[in-house]
Amino acid sequence: DAGVTQSPTHLIKTRGQQVTLRCSPKSGHDTVSWYQQALGQGPQFIFQYYEEEERQRGNFPDRFSGHQFPNYSSELNVNALLLGDSALYLCASSLVLTAAYEQYFGPGTRLTVT
Amino acid sequence: GNSVTQMEGPVTLSEEAFLTINCTYTATGYPSLFWYVQYPGEGLQLLLKATKADDKGSNKGFEATYRKETTSFHLEKGSVQVSDSAVYFCALGGKSGGSNYKLTFGKGTLLTVNP
Repeated sequence: DAGVTQSPTHLIKTRGQQVTLRCSPKSGHDTVSWYQQALGQGPQFIFQYYEEEERQRGNFPDRFSGHQFPNYSSELNVNALLLGDSALYLCASSLVLTAAYEQYFGPGTRLTVT
Repeated sequence: GNSVTQMEGPVTLSEEAFLTINCTYTATGYPSLFWYVQYPGEGLQLLLKATKADDKGSNKGFEATYRKETTSFHLEKGSVQVSDSAVYFCALGGKSGGSNYKLTFGKGTLLTVNP
């Protein structure tokens, strides 16, 4: 049973550039959430996608956008990169009908902005 | 809004010592509570969960009890091993009757176990 997968593993970008991160959810899951984890901090919620629509959004600017595809995979796009966007980006998947609503995380994409 | 407060780290223990990592929360409704573990260079792994008051989550020798009266979900293990060295995150989330689907995390507690 494949878990959550993310690509790429590492990425180095320059300020002002744009980046796209990809996520495939755990088999059978229909919901994808994205989190940003700065060094030494807990993950911060960016947004969640269900049925190809953004269902909830955290306190992130519009430079952060996303998409969910019919096969439930998802992309996170960040425009006009800032140095402060350097972080580990985590994708988590879940099943909307699960009572406990636990989320399962991928290994993350380490983004470095120079 | 929802928030989670964890004890400050780092925590350093000798092998076979008893572990407690404190976690308290503030939330509306009746959230589910979770402990996640993050090993160096990796993503988060779900360690255990509890969905309602007085539930006890357990896994790999770790336990935590959902205490609504004290709004706490402390993580415990009777005898830690070197392989338990990691960062531990307390989190809350769940539908709780509203439209809040996200997980809210504490800042994490770094545990180092020495042989």
